[in-house]
Amino acid sequence: GAGVSQSPSNKVTEKGKDVELRCDPISGHTALYWYRQSLGQGLEFLIYFQGNSAPDKSGLPSDRFSAERTGGSVSTLTIQRTQQEDSAVYLCASSLAGASNQPQHFGDGTRLSIL
Amino acid sequence: AQSVTQLGSHVSVSEGALVLLRCNYSSSVPPYLFWYVQYPNQGLQLLLKYTSAATLVKGINGFEAEFKKSETSFHLTKPSAHMSDAAEYFCAVSESRQGGKLIFGQGTELSVKP
Repeated sequence: GAGVSQSPSNKVTEKGKDVELRCDPISGHTALYWYRQSLGQGLEFLIYFQGNSAPDKSGLPSDRFSAERTGGSVSTLTIQRTQQEDSAVYLCASSLAGASNQPQHFGDGTRLSIL
Repeated sequence: AQSVTQLGSHVSVSEGALVLLRCNYSSSVPPYLFWYVQYPNQGLQLLLKYTSAATLVKGINGFEAEFKKSETSFHLTKPSAHMSDAAEYFCAVSESRQGGKLIFGQGTELSVKP
């Protein structure tokens, strides 16, 4: 079956520009997560959506980062006024429910490079 | 707050040798623990999970891990390494109160020599 789909797979942009990263979760999965993977910081949690509940934004590093999830499915992570330290791989994951014992299924990520 | 420590950022073994990747966790409540594998330019793939059932957990590709509460450990093992096992491995913890978000260790890169 179809897995978690992320687009674009690679994005190169200039410092100061805004970028949007898209995640299409597995059909029927109510929970959606964004993580960031960078050389210096490893894998970090960014934000979590569960159904119609308010998202857990506790991992967003600054107010330049925001995310939304429309219709309980597709999610978009937006980074405004990009900085070089935003360069990383952004991974999206989904799970059947937002329970801690549920495995998360990951997409292949978007590799973001800020020039 | 929970945390995960993976001992050894790089482990090298010979093909056919035992694989042992170490993971220790810190959690104030009984944790759920996961091992994921990442191949180059790919996302993370679940190897196995511990969710308070059997302490010895078997996963895919011949891997297994044992939850030891007294040692706060969840080490990953495989009796005989294969060349295709070369990848990066991540241990992660999820607390029952945290809505499922994962806290990852720093990762261990496994190399397999012919």
